[in-house]
Amino acid sequence: SQKIEQNSEALNIQEGKTATLTCNYTNYSPAYLQWYRQDPGRGPVFLLLIRENEKEKRKERLKVTFDTTLKQSLFHITASQPADSATYLCALERTTDSWGKLQFGAGTQVVVTP
Amino acid sequence: SAVISQKPSRDICQRGTSLTIQCQVDSQVTMMFWYRQQPGQSLTLIATANQGSEATYESGFVIDKFPISRPNLTFSTLTVSNMSPEDSSIYLCSVLMADTQYFGPGTRLTVL
Repeated sequence: SQKIEQNSEALNIQEGKTATLTCNYTNYSPAYLQWYRQDPGRGPVFLLLIRENEKEKRKERLKVTFDTTLKQSLFHITASQPADSATYLCALERTTDSWGKLQFGAGTQVVVTP
Repeated sequence: SAVISQKPSRDICQRGTSLTIQCQVDSQVTMMFWYRQQPGQSLTLIATANQGSEATYESGFVIDKFPISRPNLTFSTLTVSNMSPEDSSIYLCSVLMADTQYFGPGTRLTVL
């Protein structure tokens, strides 16, 4: 079965710096990989999706890379702001033939200090 | 996009009882999912609820414990039956629209 690993330690970063989060998986390469943001007491909010044939994707201050050889995705928040403080989850589809069924990593908490 | 509401937002229940959680979507969607997020852990998929068919459950989850209804394309319910303290979790519904999955705010359940 697929195992998804995210850094369990909180990432403390100063405002204006770039936060880089890692998502590693152990088994087959998924057709796509997603990143979500979750604030305390709320459901996850979709941020970005990257497909297996895409190396990089950007959305405003967010950038995601996908390396199927390393079985790794990196998530970058550039020019970080205190409002970026949240837990960030990566997710892969549950199996190769289960569209929409997501398996989540445990998430990495990001704390941006002024 | 989709806006999802859940009821109740939270509840405290006694062991042995059952709780039904409602999920309402502001647009018609085919694929709806129920997840559980136990304290300090990530989300785990419980089941997929597509309108017009029986819900399909993931390994470790059974219909007798988590019966699901999906009467139409905008609504679903998840029942947590015969609850024990181990069922204390946040339960979230989600829908898939195009390539994007939208989540409800969750129902925080505490079982005493």
